[in-house]
Amino acid sequence: DIQMTQSPSSLSASVGDRVSITCRASQTIGTNLNWYQQKRGRAPDLLIYGASRLHTGVPSRFNGNGSGTDFTLTISGLQPDDFATYSCQQSYFTPWTFGQGTRLGTK
Amino acid sequence: QVQLRESGPGLVKPSQTLSLTCTVSGDSISSGDHYWSWVRQSPGKGLEWIANMYFTGGTYYNPSLKSRTTISVDGPKNQFSLNLSSVTAADTAVYYCARGHAAGWGYFDYWGQGALVTVSS
Repeated sequence: DIQMTQSPSSLSASVGDRVSITCRASQTIGTNLNWYQQKRGRAPDLLIYGASRLHTGVPSRFNGNGSGTDFTLTISGLQPDDFATYSCQQSYFTPWTFGQGTRLGTK
Repeated sequence: QVQLRESGPGLVKPSQTLSLTCTVSGDSISSGDHYWSWVRQSPGKGLEWIANMYFTGGTYYNPSLKSRTTISVDGPKNQFSLNLSSVTAADTAVYYCARGHAAGWGYFDYWGQGALVTVSS
Protein backbone atom coordinates (compact mmCIF):
# COMPACT_ATOMS: atom_id res chain seq x y z
CA ASP A 1 0.00 0.00 0.00
CA ILE A 2 1.05 3.59 -0.58
CA GLN A 3 1.89 5.27 2.71
CA MET A 4 0.90 8.92 2.98
CA THR A 5 2.87 10.82 5.61
CA GLN A 6 1.76 14.27 6.67
CA SER A 7 3.83 16.80 8.54
CA PRO A 8 3.49 18.28 10.96
CA SER A 9 0.97 16.15 12.81
CA SER A 10 -0.22 19.30 14.54
CA LEU A 11 0.50 23.00 14.47
CA SER A 12 -0.70 26.15 16.12
CA ALA A 13 -1.34 29.41 14.32
CA SER A 14 -3.21 32.68 14.59
CA VAL A 15 -5.88 34.30 12.48
CA GLY A 16 -4.21 35.94 9.52
CA ASP A 17 -1.21 33.60 9.46
CA ARG A 18 0.01 31.66 6.45
CA VAL A 19 0.48 27.96 7.13
CA SER A 20 1.66 25.02 5.09
CA ILE A 21 1.07 21.30 5.50
CA THR A 22 3.05 18.72 3.60
CA CYS A 23 2.08 15.26 2.43
CA ARG A 24 4.62 12.74 1.19
CA ALA A 25 3.75 9.58 -0.69
CA SER A 26 5.86 6.44 -0.38
CA GLN A 27 5.76 6.04 -4.17
CA THR A 28 5.15 8.46 -7.00
CA ILE A 29 1.47 9.20 -7.52
CA GLY A 30 1.58 11.86 -10.24
CA THR A 31 -0.95 14.49 -9.23
CA ASN A 32 -3.58 12.09 -7.92
CA LEU A 33 -3.63 13.81 -4.55
CA ASN A 34 -6.66 15.28 -2.80
CA TRP A 35 -6.98 17.38 0.34
CA TYR A 36 -9.82 17.42 2.85
CA GLN A 37 -10.76 19.55 5.82
CA GLN A 38 -12.50 17.88 8.74
CA LYS A 39 -14.01 19.53 11.77
CA ARG A 40 -14.62 17.65 15.00
CA GLY A 41 -17.63 15.37 14.73
CA ARG A 42 -18.17 16.14 11.05
CA ALA A 43 -17.48 14.42 7.76
CA PRO A 44 -14.50 15.56 5.69
CA ASP A 45 -15.00 18.32 3.13
CA LEU A 46 -13.13 18.24 -0.15
CA LEU A 47 -10.82 21.23 -0.58
CA ILE A 48 -8.47 20.40 -3.44
CA TYR A 49 -8.30 17.61 -5.98
CA GLY A 50 -5.69 16.71 -8.54
CA ALA A 51 -3.03 18.25 -6.28
CA SER A 52 -3.87 21.85 -7.20
CA ARG A 53 -7.47 22.13 -8.37
CA LEU A 54 -9.73 24.07 -6.02
CA HIS A 55 -13.07 22.36 -5.38
CA THR A 56 -16.18 24.41 -6.09
CA GLY A 57 -16.91 26.93 -3.38
CA VAL A 58 -13.58 26.60 -1.60
CA PRO A 59 -12.02 29.99 -0.80
CA SER A 60 -9.00 31.02 -2.82
CA ARG A 61 -6.85 31.30 0.32
CA PHE A 62 -6.44 27.52 0.03
CA ASN A 63 -3.72 26.45 -2.39
CA GLY A 64 -2.31 23.06 -3.28
CA ASN A 65 0.73 22.11 -5.24
CA GLY A 66 3.16 19.30 -5.85
CA SER A 67 3.56 16.19 -7.96
CA GLY A 68 5.24 12.84 -7.72
CA THR A 69 5.78 12.20 -4.04
CA ASP A 70 5.73 15.62 -2.37
CA PHE A 71 2.69 17.82 -1.95
CA THR A 72 1.80 20.95 -0.01
CA LEU A 73 -1.41 22.55 1.18
CA THR A 74 -1.04 26.24 1.99
CA ILE A 75 -3.62 28.42 3.67
CA SER A 76 -2.98 32.14 3.31
CA GLY A 77 -4.64 34.50 5.74
CA LEU A 78 -6.08 32.02 8.21
CA GLN A 79 -9.70 32.58 9.13
CA PRO A 80 -11.38 31.39 12.34
CA ASP A 81 -13.29 28.76 10.33
CA ASP A 82 -10.03 27.18 9.13
CA PHE A 83 -9.01 25.64 12.45
CA ALA A 84 -9.63 21.98 11.75
CA THR A 85 -7.87 18.76 10.78
CA TYR A 86 -6.51 18.41 7.24
CA SER A 87 -5.93 15.11 5.47
CA CYS A 88 -4.43 14.15 2.15
CA GLN A 89 -5.57 11.18 0.06
CA GLN A 90 -3.96 9.44 -2.90
CA SER A 91 -6.04 7.88 -5.65
CA TYR A 92 -3.27 6.66 -7.93
CA PHE A 93 -2.94 3.17 -6.52
CA THR A 94 -5.52 0.87 -5.04
CA PRO A 95 -6.10 0.79 -2.14
CA TRP A 96 -6.64 4.52 -1.94
CA THR A 97 -4.98 5.75 1.23
CA PHE A 98 -5.12 8.80 3.46
CA GLY A 99 -2.57 10.62 5.52
CA GLN A 100 -2.92 10.50 9.27
CA GLY A 101 -4.13 14.09 9.42
CA THR A 102 -2.72 17.43 10.57
CA ARG A 103 -4.55 19.23 13.35
CA LEU A 104 -4.47 22.99 12.96
CA GLY A 105 -5.18 24.70 16.25
CA THR A 106 -5.25 28.20 17.62
CA LYS A 107 -2.04 29.63 19.03
CA GLN B 1 -28.45 19.37 -3.40
CA VAL B 2 -26.83 15.96 -3.11
CA GLN B 3 -27.25 14.35 0.28
CA LEU B 4 -26.13 11.01 1.65
CA ARG B 5 -27.30 9.49 4.90
CA GLU B 6 -26.03 6.38 6.64
CA SER B 7 -28.32 4.20 8.71
CA GLY B 8 -27.94 0.99 10.66
CA PRO B 9 -27.22 -0.43 14.11
CA GLY B 10 -24.78 1.46 16.27
CA LEU B 11 -23.73 -1.62 18.23
CA VAL B 12 -22.61 -4.95 16.81
CA LYS B 13 -21.33 -7.97 18.71
CA PRO B 14 -17.93 -9.46 17.94
CA SER B 15 -17.95 -12.07 15.16
CA GLN B 16 -21.25 -10.77 13.80
CA THR B 17 -21.88 -8.78 10.62
CA LEU B 18 -21.94 -5.01 10.49
CA SER B 19 -24.61 -3.72 8.10
CA LEU B 20 -25.09 -0.13 7.02
CA THR B 21 -27.19 1.47 4.32
CA CYS B 22 -26.57 4.75 2.54
CA THR B 23 -29.58 6.56 1.16
CA VAL B 24 -28.82 9.06 -1.58
CA SER B 25 -30.95 12.05 -2.55
CA GLY B 26 -30.34 14.68 -5.18
CA ASP B 27 -28.51 12.26 -7.49
CA SER B 28 -29.12 8.85 -8.99
CA ILE B 29 -26.70 6.07 -8.06
CA SER B 30 -27.56 4.39 -11.36
CA SER B 31 -26.50 7.33 -13.53
CA GLY B 32 -23.01 6.00 -14.07
CA ASP B 33 -21.42 9.42 -13.62
CA HIS B 34 -20.23 8.68 -10.12
CA TYR B 35 -18.95 5.96 -7.88
CA TRP B 36 -20.38 5.35 -4.44
CA SER B 37 -18.06 4.54 -1.61
CA TRP B 38 -17.54 3.60 2.00
CA VAL B 39 -14.81 5.12 4.14
CA ARG B 40 -14.27 4.62 7.86
CA GLN B 41 -12.43 6.40 10.63
CA SER B 42 -11.44 4.65 13.81
CA PRO B 43 -11.52 6.76 16.99
CA GLY B 44 -8.70 9.28 16.94
CA LYS B 45 -7.23 7.87 13.75
CA GLY B 46 -7.04 8.60 10.07
CA LEU B 47 -9.48 7.77 7.32
CA GLU B 48 -9.53 4.32 5.70
CA TRP B 49 -11.02 3.63 2.29
CA ILE B 50 -13.21 0.52 2.23
CA ALA B 51 -14.67 0.21 -1.28
CA ASN B 52 -15.96 1.95 -4.40
CA MET B 53 -19.09 0.79 -6.21
CA TYR B 54 -19.61 1.74 -9.84
CA PHE B 55 -23.21 1.04 -10.75
CA THR B 56 -22.29 0.00 -14.28
CA GLY B 57 -18.74 -1.08 -13.67
CA GLY B 58 -18.33 -3.29 -10.64
CA THR B 59 -16.98 -2.84 -7.15
CA TYR B 60 -13.43 -2.35 -5.94
CA TYR B 61 -12.43 -3.25 -2.41
CA ASN B 62 -9.58 -2.47 -0.09
CA PRO B 63 -7.63 -5.76 -0.12
CA SER B 64 -7.22 -5.60 3.66
CA LEU B 65 -11.01 -5.84 4.06
CA LYS B 66 -12.07 -7.53 0.85
CA SER B 67 -12.56 -11.00 2.28
CA ARG B 68 -15.06 -9.66 4.81
CA THR B 69 -16.75 -6.89 2.78
CA THR B 70 -19.74 -6.91 0.48
CA ILE B 71 -21.26 -3.87 -1.20
CA SER B 72 -24.79 -4.18 -2.55
CA VAL B 73 -27.00 -1.74 -4.37
CA ASP B 74 -30.73 -1.07 -4.61
CA GLY B 75 -31.24 1.13 -7.65
CA PRO B 76 -34.98 1.77 -7.25
CA LYS B 77 -34.47 2.85 -3.63
CA ASN B 78 -31.32 4.82 -4.56
CA GLN B 79 -29.43 3.07 -1.79
CA PHE B 80 -26.24 1.13 -1.43
CA SER B 81 -25.15 -0.96 1.50
CA LEU B 82 -22.09 -2.20 3.32
CA ASN B 83 -21.81 -5.59 4.97
CA LEU B 84 -18.67 -6.30 6.98
CA SER B 85 -18.53 -9.78 8.44
CA SER B 86 -16.69 -11.31 11.41
CA VAL B 87 -16.19 -7.96 13.09
CA THR B 88 -13.83 -7.35 15.98
CA ALA B 89 -13.18 -4.37 18.22
CA ALA B 90 -10.77 -3.11 15.56
CA ASP B 91 -13.77 -2.46 13.31
CA THR B 92 -15.19 0.09 15.73
CA ALA B 93 -15.29 3.31 13.74
CA VAL B 94 -17.36 6.04 12.20
CA TYR B 95 -18.47 4.75 8.82
CA TYR B 96 -19.06 7.26 6.06
CA CYS B 97 -20.67 6.80 2.68
CA ALA B 98 -19.44 9.16 0.00
CA ARG B 99 -19.69 10.03 -3.69
CA GLY B 100 -16.94 10.47 -6.23
CA HIS B 101 -16.72 11.33 -9.90
CA ALA B 102 -16.15 8.34 -12.14
CA ALA B 103 -14.12 10.38 -14.63
CA GLY B 104 -12.39 12.47 -12.02
CA TRP B 105 -9.35 12.43 -9.82
CA GLY B 106 -10.48 9.84 -7.32
CA TYR B 107 -11.85 12.26 -4.80
CA PHE B 108 -14.97 12.24 -2.64
CA ASP B 109 -17.07 15.36 -3.06
CA TYR B 110 -20.14 14.52 -1.00
CA TRP B 111 -20.20 12.64 2.28
CA GLY B 112 -22.81 11.38 4.67
CA GLN B 113 -22.76 12.63 8.23
CA GLY B 114 -21.23 9.36 9.40
CA ALA B 115 -22.49 6.47 11.52
CA LEU B 116 -20.64 5.39 14.64
CA VAL B 117 -20.54 1.62 14.92
CA THR B 118 -19.19 0.08 18.09
CA VAL B 119 -18.19 -3.56 18.20
CA SER B 120 -18.70 -4.86 21.71
CA SER B 121 -20.37 -7.72 23.51
